[in-house]
Amino acid sequence: KAGVTQTPRYLIKTRGQQVTLSCSPISGHRSVSWYQQTPGQGLQFLFEYFSETQRNKGNFPGRFSGRQFSNSRSEMNVSTLELGDSALYLCASSLAGAGDTEAFFGQGTRLTVV
Amino acid sequence: AQKITQTQPGMFVQEKEAVTLDCTYDTSDPSYGLFWYKQPSSGEMIFLIYQGSYDQQNATEGRYSLNFQKARKSANLVISASQLGDSAMYFCAMRSLSSGSARQLTFGSGTQLTVLP
Repeated sequence: KAGVTQTPRYLIKTRGQQVTLSCSPISGHRSVSWYQQTPGQGLQFLFEYFSETQRNKGNFPGRFSGRQFSNSRSEMNVSTLELGDSALYLCASSLAGAGDTEAFFGQGTRLTVV
Repeated sequence: AQKITQTQPGMFVQEKEAVTLDCTYDTSDPSYGLFWYKQPSSGEMIFLIYQGSYDQQNATEGRYSLNFQKARKSANLVISASQLGDSAMYFCAMRSLSSGSARQLTFGSGTQLTVLP
């Protein structure tokens, strides 16, 4: 059974550009959540998608957006990149059923904004 | 709102010894889950162990066990027989399991564990 796959693993972008990150959840998992990890702020929740709908959103500016496709794969987009967006972006996959006890993460995408 | 507190920024343990990583939490949810993850320098967040708030017994997974004390709101991770490969950052996290509640994980600040040969 394949795990959570995030692509690309590493990205270097210039300020002002935009970037798209991808996450393929574990087969059968319908929920995908995104987190940003920085040394200063730790792990912060960005948003959760379930059945192609955003179910929850963290406290991030509108430059951060996402979507989920019918096969549960999710993309996250950051527009007008700022230096402070440099971070490890992790996605988590879960079943999203009642009393969901699973949350498995991908290897992350390390974004560097220069 | 949920909060996770990990008060040990760094811990050292001798190889083959046991170590306890502390985690306390705060929540008003009657039903919740507690998770521990290991994050090596590569960045991947590796799931270790899960404990539900209504579980009567402490969870165990191989060398990992979770010392769950609900009244004290603590969920400490115990690693037995430490190995050099256990050196990593360890995160405690929680999620509400109540119907209609937000489902995101709330993380602590982590504990950097170093296993000494």
